[in-house]
Amino acid sequence: DAKTTQPPSMDCAEGRAANLPCNHSTISGNEYVYWYRQIHSQGPQYIIHGLKNNETNEMASLIITEDRKSSTLILPHATLRDTAVYYCIVRVKGGGSNYKLTFGKGTLLTVNP
Amino acid sequence: DAEITQSPRHKITETGRQVTLACHQTWNHNNMFWYRQDLGHGLRLIHYSYGVQDTNKGEVSDGYSVSRSNTEDLPLTLESAASSQTSVYFCASSESGRLKAFFGQGTRLTVV
Repeated sequence: DAKTTQPPSMDCAEGRAANLPCNHSTISGNEYVYWYRQIHSQGPQYIIHGLKNNETNEMASLIITEDRKSSTLILPHATLRDTAVYYCIVRVKGGGSNYKLTFGKGTLLTVNP
Repeated sequence: DAEITQSPRHKITETGRQVTLACHQTWNHNNMFWYRQDLGHGLRLIHYSYGVQDTNKGEVSDGYSVSRSNTEDLPLTLESAASSQTSVYFCASSESGRLKAFFGQGTRLTVV
């Protein structure tokens, strides 16, 4: 199973872009990268996922390197409400053709005024 | 709107009692997951299910059980509550083969 490595914490100024890195050097060719975040005391929230192409939605952009060994989640204009723990997850086989969602320690992003 | 709800939101119970935490989703998702979250350990997978009558053990399943009799519900039972099971519990659901999951609001369980 591919593992992910994230910095334990990062700071960002309000209104600036937040770039959260994730290393997944053992990822297989058909494994997706998912990003979630968890705001204090709430349930985790899905942000975005991708396989090899860059992805963008209303919340964030996901940049995956060409060799797929790392990715970056970009919050283009961080606000105080984006302060949260961000989790990078590689889809892990759970049985048959299905998968399970397994969380690491994530990165605590603190957005400062 | 479809949703996933957990009940109760807060519960205090005594050591040795059986406790059941409810999780109900209206997404019609086949996959459902239970996690516990403690300081210093992050989110740990307890049990998960890929459909009716299917259940699987996660990384911290000892002392917990689940059963899946319909698509909407995956109740989590603590057979004999222990103080070490004091935690915040989260339930989640997703479509088959996908990990875009929706989480409940959590249940804070205290075992005294």
